[in-house]
Amino acid sequence: AAGVIQSPRHLIKEKRETATLKCYPIPRHDTVYWYQQGPGQDPQFLISFYEKMQSDKGSIPDRFSAQQFSDYHSELNMSSLELGDSALYFCASSPPTGEEQYFGPGTRLTVT
Amino acid sequence: GQQVMQIPQYQHVQEGEDFTTYCNSSTTLSNIQWYKQRPGGHPVFLIQLVKSGEVKKQKRLTFQFGEAKKNSSLHITATQTTDVGTYFCAGAPVTSGTYKYIFGTGTRLKVLA
Repeated sequence: AAGVIQSPRHLIKEKRETATLKCYPIPRHDTVYWYQQGPGQDPQFLISFYEKMQSDKGSIPDRFSAQQFSDYHSELNMSSLELGDSALYFCASSPPTGEEQYFGPGTRLTVT
Repeated sequence: GQQVMQIPQYQHVQEGEDFTTYCNSSTTLSNIQWYKQRPGGHPVFLIQLVKSGEVKKQKRLTFQFGEAKKNSSLHITATQTTDVGTYFCAGAPVTSGTYKYIFGTGTRLKVLA
């Protein structure tokens, strides 16, 4: 069965650089979520999209922005990167029939 | 802000012993989900509870949603080494939008063979 795809899987950036993380939800899923997980921490909700419209916002810094495109894939854009942005970034998607979230493998971002 | 706490933070059990993790929210939840995350892996959906007082079972796992819809528990009977991982609850506060889930702090389970 198809799963959520995230790219890249690993990313190394320097402080003040920008990064773009991509997420391809499971086909026919209409909701996408983004989470940030620091080492030994719980996933922190960043933002969600329902049918390509932003639905809810969590603790997403102003330096970050996200969007969902017509093909339902989503991108998380991160600018002016800081050391504290180093984390695992998960994307998850949900089907129209339910709210269970299917997580992708994550993108590990390291800011040096 | 809205918080979801889990206790205990860590639990080491001998294989065959039972295990319970408790999830407590500072606000009323419209529903609660449970996830398991293996070391180095991603959260995997286990179950969703919606109704007040709901109890659901999956083989050796029993999930409960409190009457006030502010707390939940996951109980594993006769743990196995395959149960190792971190168990997270994730709640959707009724005061938030439909697609916003607050994850609990997690309980890391180690099972000793």
